Amino acid sequence: GAVVSQHPSWVICKSGTSVKIECRSLDFQATTMFWYRQFPKQSLMLMATSNEGSKATYEQGVEKDKFLINHASLTLSTLTVTSAHPEDSSFYICSARDGREGRHEQYFGPGTRLTVT
Amino acid sequence: AQSVTQPDIHITVSEGASLELRCNYSYGATPYLFWYVQSPGQGLQLLLKYFSGDTLVQGIKGFEAEFKRSQSSFNLRKPSVHWSDAAEYFCAVGAVGATNKLIFGTGTLLAVQP
Repeated sequence: GAVVSQHPSWVICKSGTSVKIECRSLDFQATTMFWYRQFPKQSLMLMATSNEGSKATYEQGVEKDKFLINHASLTLSTLTVTSAHPEDSSFYICSARDGREGRHEQYFGPGTRLTVT
Repeated sequence: AQSVTQPDIHITVSEGASLELRCNYSYGATPYLFWYVQSPGQGLQLLLKYFSGDTLVQGIKGFEAEFKRSQSSFNLRKPSVHWSDAAEYFCAVGAVGATNKLIFGTGTLLAVQP
């Protein structure tokens, strides 16, 4: 149980285009999902917190107009990188919090490798 | 300020040897503590967690961790390391509350020698 999937697992896009990354909780409902960014050989940096049915909360320094987050259902959140630039190339990881009472774990997706050329 | 420190960036141990990965945290409230493992190009897998109760927690793959409030530490241990344990290990701290935001340490890369 508690499986989180991400799609695509890797994507290459041209500079100036937009790319959408999906994060799904497969066997539980996730009231909250999180988006992280990880640079090579570095830790995870929280980008934003996504709550179902409401606007995402972005961390300081993260451009909300560039990284659009939508959490339309209890099992799906999407991250859209708009007008991508090479510096947006990174490993993006989502996690989902089990919404049941007393559950505090975050379950992580396998990540999406984005390369902007 | 809230922070997690993993003092060891890189550790190499021999297969079969014991392992201890250090984690210290600074947190204003009662913390939830986690250890995650990440294999190259993969997401994170939860090894174990501490919320309350017994300060020695058991996790998957033979790992355990001990919460020491007086030392603000949550060190990860394994009595006998296997080659498949080679990976990056992250300690994380989260709030007791609704937000569930996690703060991650910088990670410790574990190499296992045959």
